[in-house]
Amino acid sequence: KNEVEQSPQNLTAQEGEFITINCSYSVGISALHWLQQHPGGGIVSLFMLSSGKKKHGRLIATINIQEKHSSLHITASHPRDSAVYICAVIRGGGADGLTFGKGTHLIIQP
Amino acid sequence: EPEVTQTPSHQVTQMGQEVILRCVPISNHLYFYWYRQILGQKVEFLVSFYNNEISEKSEIFDDQFSVERPDGSNFTLKIRSTKLEDSAMYFCASSPDSYGYTFGSGTRLTVV
Repeated sequence: KNEVEQSPQNLTAQEGEFITINCSYSVGISALHWLQQHPGGGIVSLFMLSSGKKKHGRLIATINIQEKHSSLHITASHPRDSAVYICAVIRGGGADGLTFGKGTHLIIQP
Repeated sequence: EPEVTQTPSHQVTQMGQEVILRCVPISNHLYFYWYRQILGQKVEFLVSFYNNEISEKSEIFDDQFSVERPDGSNFTLKIRSTKLEDSAMYFCASSPDSYGYTFGSGTRLTVV
């Protein structure tokens, strides 16, 4: 069983739709990252969360530590948001590195 | 904005050969990491490096792998005798505090 589970695995939506990607984890964590990976492979950290909610532009990330669940929301989605979105957790001290989910492949159609 | 730089972007090597993947982390960062992503699979942790030594390593990071910070700026991953299953994208990352991450753009290693 994967320690970090994401849903959905694939999501196709129309431009302008509100997008939600979910992440559940089964281990104790000290922080959680939402990452974006574009075709060609580069990875960018969008958010790091240890509690509550963060917002950056059209992106919002929330985390519920008690329920071991996090969500990434995209408002007013745009084709340029098409990418793989990955949830990754820091389990103990940061030297442990990140434990990754399998990612959600998002396609926004014009 | 500071970047993590990885070279080469793509390397093709013959099975059994040694390869060295290079990374230049952000200069004031203290923690350095290598990850790999086999095509179509999730990203996996290989090793973390702090204070000039390995902090943690995964079971993937066996004796054929080694890391070095030879000159205070570069951070290298050496694979001693490559196998077909080592074909993957290898990502370097650095962090000032082991929480905030900056990733490099990756090296695609193809073993033939």
